[in-house]
Amino acid sequence: DAKTTQPPSMDCAEGRAANLPCNHSTISGNEYVYWYRQIHSQGPQYIIHGLKNNETNEMASLIITEDRKSSTLILPHATLRDTAVYYCIVRPATSGTYKYIFGTGTRLKVLA
Amino acid sequence: DAGVTQSPTHLIKTRGQHVTLRCSPISGHKSVSWYQQVLGQGPQFIFQYYEKEERGRGNFPDRFSARQFPNYSSELNVNALLLGDSALYLCASSLGAGTNSPLHFGNGTRLTVT
Repeated sequence: DAKTTQPPSMDCAEGRAANLPCNHSTISGNEYVYWYRQIHSQGPQYIIHGLKNNETNEMASLIITEDRKSSTLILPHATLRDTAVYYCIVRPATSGTYKYIFGTGTRLKVLA
Repeated sequence: DAGVTQSPTHLIKTRGQHVTLRCSPISGHKSVSWYQQVLGQGPQFIFQYYEKEERGRGNFPDRFSARQFPNYSSELNVNALLLGDSALYLCASSLGAGTNSPLHFGNGTRLTVT
């Protein structure tokens, strides 16, 4: 079973920040949070990941709460090309099997 | 740099047939994983291979098998195809087996079973 909970859908105006929440209340101390997005008919695209500190790269920022039970992916200036399904995934840094458990994600629609 | 490449991109097969899907990982990546994505759902883990050894298997029947070659490329084989095997099959690679380095996915093979 997926260990994350995300809203099924969100809308965002073009040019505005898109804030996508994820609940991972049962996260363990050694589990990282990963974010991916999937545009129709393509494979999931890696966005960002983190353990407990906030992270930023050229695509997005990841804000993890101090208790690590939830996180928010921020797309600072959403464009129409950011319309996609966004997945939040948690997995341990060390594991015999490297696998992701995907939920149903959040379908983000960026509106012109 | 080339990303994860998969072939073919699309495939149509008949029930009962066999299919082989191929994957080339990102250069330097030694771990390859396979996922099945049915329409409207998130990807589901099938296999992980690292250094040519199976490291994990999801809840899939024995009709599904895979292998990894010395050059780290991989094949997914599915025997006795069923209509329910119609899906997008995704391959992903990563640097190691148990590190925090992220998986990088290819764009998949769309398999249709008629």
